[in-house]
Amino acid sequence: DSGVTQTPKHLITATGQRVTLRCSPRSGDLSVYWYQQSLDQGLQFLIQYYNGEERAKGNILERFSAQQFPDLHSELNLSSLELGDSALYFCASSVTPGRHTDTQYFGPGTRLTVL
Amino acid sequence: KNQVEQSPQSLIILEGKNCTLQCNYTVSPFSNLRWYKQDTGRGPVSLTIMTFSENTKSNGRYTATLDADTKQSSLHITASQLSDSASYICVVSAHNAGNMLTFGGGTRLMVKP
Repeated sequence: DSGVTQTPKHLITATGQRVTLRCSPRSGDLSVYWYQQSLDQGLQFLIQYYNGEERAKGNILERFSAQQFPDLHSELNLSSLELGDSALYFCASSVTPGRHTDTQYFGPGTRLTVL
Repeated sequence: KNQVEQSPQSLIILEGKNCTLQCNYTVSPFSNLRWYKQDTGRGPVSLTIMTFSENTKSNGRYTATLDADTKQSSLHITASQLSDSASYICVVSAHNAGNMLTFGGGTRLMVKP
């Protein structure tokens, strides 16, 4: 158990819908990262937040957005869902973004299925 | 463009045998290299982290090596166990804002009895 929690574990929805994935980082971690893992593309970095502020952006679509709240939990919002958005979405946390040897601890993931 | 390539894509070995997984990268400027183990359907778990100055790092039966000159790393698994069956992902970090990582495609290892 990494100490990172994600809800829900599974999510099944239809194309065009909007969903929200939630992540609580490990106690004491200020940085949260979101990743997408689809079968054909492996892990892809989406976005990072540090202490409530966006820190870095990866391959995140405009239909996707995220935020980190004062209590440090984070939400990833996916809208106008397409079949290709079906994937595992992982959240990870680390103590700081600046120390390059910080370990990122991954949550168990949310499996999104778009029908 | 930052890239991480791993080989082989998949590997089957018998329990008790050793194996070595390879990782080549073109990430620049290099900060550190990590190996993760990912069980099917679960989040990756960190095995080792190596910076530019480190050549070898061990974590139990896992030993990672790094050659920063040739931009290559390997992960050696000794005396494999059935529980080693998983995907092993090489991840390289560049010096930039935050802690952005470039992921390899992974090597899927299956250990058979």
